[in-house]
Amino acid sequence: AQKITQTQPGMFVQEKEAVTLDCTYDTSDQSYGLFWYKQPSSGEMIFLIYQGSYDEQNATEGRYSLNFQKARKSANLVISASQLGDSAMYFCAMREGSRTGANNLFFGTGTRLTVIP
Amino acid sequence: DVKVTQSSRYLVKRTGEKVFLECVQDMDHENMFWYRQDPGLGLRLIYFSYDVKMKEKGDIPEGYSVSREKKERFSLILESASTNQTSMYLCASSFPGLVYEQYFGPGTRLTVT
Repeated sequence: AQKITQTQPGMFVQEKEAVTLDCTYDTSDQSYGLFWYKQPSSGEMIFLIYQGSYDEQNATEGRYSLNFQKARKSANLVISASQLGDSAMYFCAMREGSRTGANNLFFGTGTRLTVIP
Repeated sequence: DVKVTQSSRYLVKRTGEKVFLECVQDMDHENMFWYRQDPGLGLRLIYFSYDVKMKEKGDIPEGYSVSREKKERFSLILESASTNQTSMYLCASSFPGLVYEQYFGPGTRLTVT
């Protein structure tokens, strides 16, 4: 089974509007971390935001917020006031706390966001 | 600023060649990772290392090997390149622990002809 599912291959949003990118996850661990990364056309992966499974508040970083619904196992990324520079691929990822060693990330297949002027 | 560098942005190799992809990080991270990225498949983990000379297989290790002789350097080796290894290869590093994000290099786009 997929550990991270992103069901939206592509999304469009009007400049200055908000957009939600969906992410659901699958784990039996009680302790885990959820990450969102942005990948512009240049190819580098840029870390955006982190949510821990025990964090009671939704994470926020500037215009990015993570809508964390633990019971539904969802960790949606909300981008407010979209800008043209937000056009990119967005990846949701999870790290499981039970794994020893390097705690590698499991990535979803990504959502390509296009911001329309 | 954390820096993860990869030896090449673009590489073209012939089928059967031995290929070395080098990754260097300057933040004293214990953990290092190699992923490949293909359209529609996201990032898939090839190998990771949590200490010098330590390595663990990821989800798709077949056809690859790795080497970590120094903490800052993690090499991915394609023993005999094949066309199905044409892909974008991304290296990453991080501190150990749940909360630490991975820092990525710029990627190497490898084409095997």
